[in-house]
Amino acid sequence: DIVMTQSPDSLAVSLGERATINCKSSQSVLHRSNGKSCLAWYQQKPGQPPKLLISWASARESGVPDRFSGSGSGTDFTLTISSLQAEDVAVYYCQQHYSPPTFGQGTRLEIK
Amino acid sequence: QVQLVQSGAEVKRPGSSVRVSCKVSGGTFSSHAITWLRQAPGQGPEWLGGIIPAFPSTNYAQKFRGRVTITADASTSTSYMDLNSLRSDDTAVYYCAREADGSFWVYWGQGTLVTVSS
Repeated sequence: DIVMTQSPDSLAVSLGERATINCKSSQSVLHRSNGKSCLAWYQQKPGQPPKLLISWASARESGVPDRFSGSGSGTDFTLTISSLQAEDVAVYYCQQHYSPPTFGQGTRLEIK
Repeated sequence: QVQLVQSGAEVKRPGSSVRVSCKVSGGTFSSHAITWLRQAPGQGPEWLGGIIPAFPSTNYAQKFRGRVTITADASTSTSYMDLNSLRSDDTAVYYCAREADGSFWVYWGQGTLVTVSS
C-alpha cells in the first residue's frame, strides 16, 4: 500500500496568517488517463466525519472557501490556508485516491 | 440532498461479530459506490472496502479480507458492514461514505462507535 506522510504533526498559526501543510506519498499517485494526481485533503473537527476540501490535488470542493488551496503533483503535495480563521482549527488529512485508498496521520492546526 | 444515516453504537466482546448499517437517501443508490472506513482514537481514517450496489461488486482491503463483509440492499437503499472475530484493536468509529468521481468521499454517515471490550 502507498504510505502517506504529513508534516508537521501539529502547527500553530496566528489569525490572518498563512498555514501550510505538507504531504508526501511513498510512490507517485499520478493518474495515467487524465494526468491528474489522485490526492485529496480533508478537514476534521471533533465528533464529526472528515469533510472533503480538495480532490485531484487542486480541485476545491463546492462551498469550500477560496482561502483553501491545494498544490503539488506526483509524490509531493501542499495544502495552504491563505489567511487563517478561527473556524479553521481542526485536524487535516491527506488521502491518496490512487489505489487502495490510504490516509496520512493527520496535522493538528491550532491558533497561536 | 444526499444523506447517510448509520445505526447506533455497539459494545461487543472479543471474538464476536458486529453489523453496522448505513441507509442512504437522496440520489441514486445503486449507481454510486458505498465505502466503509474506520477511525481509531487519535488516528487517521482507514479504508475497509466498498461495494457498487448496481453490480454488485465488492472490494476489500487486504488487511481485512476474510473478516469483513460488505453488502447492499437496493430495495431499502441500505448498506451493511459485518466484521467478525472482533479484537480490542477493532475499537473505532466506523463510517460509511459515498464515492464521488474517484475513491474520495463528499458524503459521510455520522459514524458508529464500536467498542470491543471484555
